[in-house]
Amino acid sequence: RKEVEQDPGPFNVPEGATVAFNCTYSNSASQSFFWYRQDCRKEPKLLMSVYSSGNEDGRFTAQLNRASQYISLLIRDSKLSDSATYLCVVVDSNYQLIWGAGTKLIIKP
Amino acid sequence: DTAVSQTPKYLVTQMGNDKSIKCEQNLGHDTMYWYKQDSKKFLKIMFSYNNKELIINETVPNRFSPKSPDKAHLNLHINSLELGDSAVYFCASSQDRGTSGRRFGNEQFFGPGTRLTVL
Repeated sequence: RKEVEQDPGPFNVPEGATVAFNCTYSNSASQSFFWYRQDCRKEPKLLMSVYSSGNEDGRFTAQLNRASQYISLLIRDSKLSDSATYLCVVVDSNYQLIWGAGTKLIIKP
Repeated sequence: DTAVSQTPKYLVTQMGNDKSIKCEQNLGHDTMYWYKQDSKKFLKIMFSYNNKELIINETVPNRFSPKSPDKAHLNLHINSLELGDSAVYFCASSQDRGTSGRRFGNEQFFGPGTRLTVL
């Protein structure tokens, strides 16, 4: 089992819709969690951290479920500019970042 | 102001050649990384340096040799390039230790990437 797993997609979603994807992790001792965004032919950039209490930033909501060992990202009222690959990152007990393979999101007009 | 910069942005070379990629960060971070992203887009860490000291060395061929002359620079030298080395190489940095020495696993800032093509 991979340490961090994501559905690669692509998720094809009409503009304005709500989309959600999950990321599962195998190490129950993982310390912290992030979502990064990577646009085509660009570098990854931090989208948001994921806190135990959940985290909301505008149209984006991140949730952590430690019992089931997954994090989720919800995007409401999706925009064309949300099209990107979303990378899940888990920090293990040695403070090393473990990267998921990413979920590709395509927002269609 | 560029935070993490890499040169060159594109590198096309023949098999068997030796090449270097340079990386510099002006964020004052103590930790720098090299990642490889292949055609399947999977981002894989290669090396990590904290204050010029190697702390992560994943299973990469010893043809790859990182060099950190100071904590703001982490260069990657590749000997005897092979077709399978073609990929995008990203440099990144983060602040991973506070004044107490505690580690954080903080946000990483990435350079724009170097697209290496080996012919």
